[in-house]
Amino acid sequence: AQTVTQSQPEMSVQEAETVTLSCTYDTSENNYYLFWYKQPPSRQMILVIRQEAYKQQNATENRFSVNFQKAAKSFSLKISDSQLGDTAMYFCAFMKHVGGATNKLIFGTGTLLAVQP
Amino acid sequence: SAVISQKPSRDICQRGTSLTIQCQVDSQVTMMFWYRQQPGQSLTLIATANQGSEATYESGFVIDKFPISRPNLTFSTLTVSNMSPEDSSIYLCSVDGFTNEQFFGPGTRLTVL
Repeated sequence: AQTVTQSQPEMSVQEAETVTLSCTYDTSENNYYLFWYKQPPSRQMILVIRQEAYKQQNATENRFSVNFQKAAKSFSLKISDSQLGDTAMYFCAFMKHVGGATNKLIFGTGTLLAVQP
Repeated sequence: SAVISQKPSRDICQRGTSLTIQCQVDSQVTMMFWYRQQPGQSLTLIATANQGSEATYESGFVIDKFPISRPNLTFSTLTVSNMSPEDSSIYLCSVDGFTNEQFFGPGTRLTVL
């Protein structure tokens, strides 16, 4: 069974600074996807970034980038130039690749990020 | 990304009653998922709902407690039956995207007294 671990329950960062959220996972699968989702206080889950395991290049989306280390089973999220609107719960999630179809997401326990003015 | 709505957005219910939650998508999707997020916790998948077939339930969730309907490619319902305070959670539906990501609805916050 796959597991996702987020070891930082809470983090704080000053506005305009950079913060890195950690995520490790355990799987015996070779083909899978990894995601970071953001859940602001309004609770709508928003996809931040995705990574295919077969791609060596780290995914980036504007101020958000990941450090994907497949051998170490590590998938950290870096937020650059933090903004007040980045305040949210961040969930790391794993999805097994099954014949190209979307499969269930396995979530970590989340990291509550507070961006301070 | 798809636009997903859920009804109701929140409800307070008495134990022993049932609540049906609706999930509507603005485009046709193959797969819809129902998750539960207990207070202060992460998300756990309840079941996967494909149109025209029985929902597939995860370990620990049963059809008698969480019956699901999927009558067409844009709509699904989840019923929480015979509720107890332990069912107090946020229930979220999600749909599959074109590149295997999932998009989530706003959630239904359920409180059982």
